[in-house]
Amino acid sequence: DPKIIQKPKYLVAVTGSEKILICEQYLGHNAMYWYRQSAKKPLEFMFSYSYQKLMDNQTASSRFQPQSSKKNHLDLQITALKPDDSATYFCASSQYNYAEQFFGPGTRLTVL
Amino acid sequence: GDSVTQTEGQVALSEEDFLTIHCNYSASGYPALFWYVQYPGEGPQFLFRASRDKEKGSSRGFEATYNKETTSFHLQKASVQESDSAVYYCALGENQGGRALIFGTGTTVSVSP
Repeated sequence: DPKIIQKPKYLVAVTGSEKILICEQYLGHNAMYWYRQSAKKPLEFMFSYSYQKLMDNQTASSRFQPQSSKKNHLDLQITALKPDDSATYFCASSQYNYAEQFFGPGTRLTVL
Repeated sequence: GDSVTQTEGQVALSEEDFLTIHCNYSASGYPALFWYVQYPGEGPQFLFRASRDKEKGSSRGFEATYNKETTSFHLQKASVQESDSAVYYCALGENQGGRALIFGTGTTVSVSP
């Protein structure tokens, strides 16, 4: 059974729209993260959460907003989508801060 | 800021060849170092980590030794198989309060039978 679930696997959006990427982990981990992978940049850290609190934010744009409704959930809301937002977004989790991180299968977002 | 450099962008090997992927880092102190492997259509998979000078990490026949003097964490495998074809990423854990993993640009390994 998959331990980190990301939904949907593929997502197509139009410029200016808003989408929510879903992430759930069933590893019992306390920390969760979002990363982005595109052709222009390798794996790029975006956010980290620990016990549902935002710990680090390395995303310059406020259009990206993480949302944690439960300890094992960390969704990513993206507003005013741009074609440059096209990428694969990975959710990850770790037992505690600074431990090895385990990644989900990713959501591939295409913005037209 | 902290950074990771992987020298090889692509490596082509035959089965049973010896694999080396070079990884050098730039960071203060003793950052944790990691190797991840990514297969097509999947997220990166954790291979192993090392946190101290001269510590060896290993998994699935792969190994790397933390070298503070040369700021390196080179990945090696003695005898590769076709199933080892994937993209390999070296990463470091931020040392100054952050929790981000900083990844290198990745090395695509292609193993032919």
